[in-house]
Amino acid sequence: DARVTQTPRHKVTEMGQEVTMRCQPILGHNTVFWYRQTMMQGLELLAYFRNRAPLDDSGMPKDRFSAEMPDATLATLKIQPSEPRDSAVYFCASGFVSKQSRGGGLVTEAFFGQGTRLTVV
Amino acid sequence: AQTVTQSQPEMSVQEAETVTLSCTYDTSESNYYLFWYKQPPSRQMILVIRQEAYKQQNATENRFSVNFQKAAKSFSLKISDSQLGDTAMYFCAFMPYNNAGGTSYGKLTFGQGTILTVHP
Repeated sequence: DARVTQTPRHKVTEMGQEVTMRCQPILGHNTVFWYRQTMMQGLELLAYFRNRAPLDDSGMPKDRFSAEMPDATLATLKIQPSEPRDSAVYFCASGFVSKQSRGGGLVTEAFFGQGTRLTVV
Repeated sequence: AQTVTQSQPEMSVQEAETVTLSCTYDTSESNYYLFWYKQPPSRQMILVIRQEAYKQQNATENRFSVNFQKAAKSFSLKISDSQLGDTAMYFCAFMPYNNAGGTSYGKLTFGQGTILTVHP
């Protein structure tokens, strides 16, 4: 049963500490998304990758957040230093997107992990 | 840039009745997919239904169907015979794709969500 795996599921940390969230996308998927969900802002796209290359991280606070894909089986989202306003649920999702030569594309839906609930105190 | 708008923050419906959730989007793209996701209290995001923009026929999945109006850029979700298990947050989402590429290609953007409560 293919699924996106996120670790940890829950994280409580003190302000100023570094936080690293990990995601294992579904094997064969070439696109990985990081979202943040809060009551006030809903689901915000922080960054996304295709074939491990970052395509758009404009939704991410650059001074403290960073996202990488060291290899095809691992995506990471780091916050350093963390702040109370970073408290949220962080989702990773993966999917497959490709162009087709005669127009259109091949697209799967995005499959989501169970999320990491981050609390910064 | 693409935007997705869900104008109904909350909706409620009686069990066995029908409810329609609204979604509009704004884009200059001609090729794209639209999705409805469900997020129950467990917070797991689950795909409900998808629609390819070049297909005129509205997608249907059991009790779930969409009304896709491309010219109006509208994509509503109809839930028939509502069940208690349908209680969840519902998100509309948009993903463009085209051979021109660019950073928006394959970028999945969500609306703000609609909380649906099904009452017994």
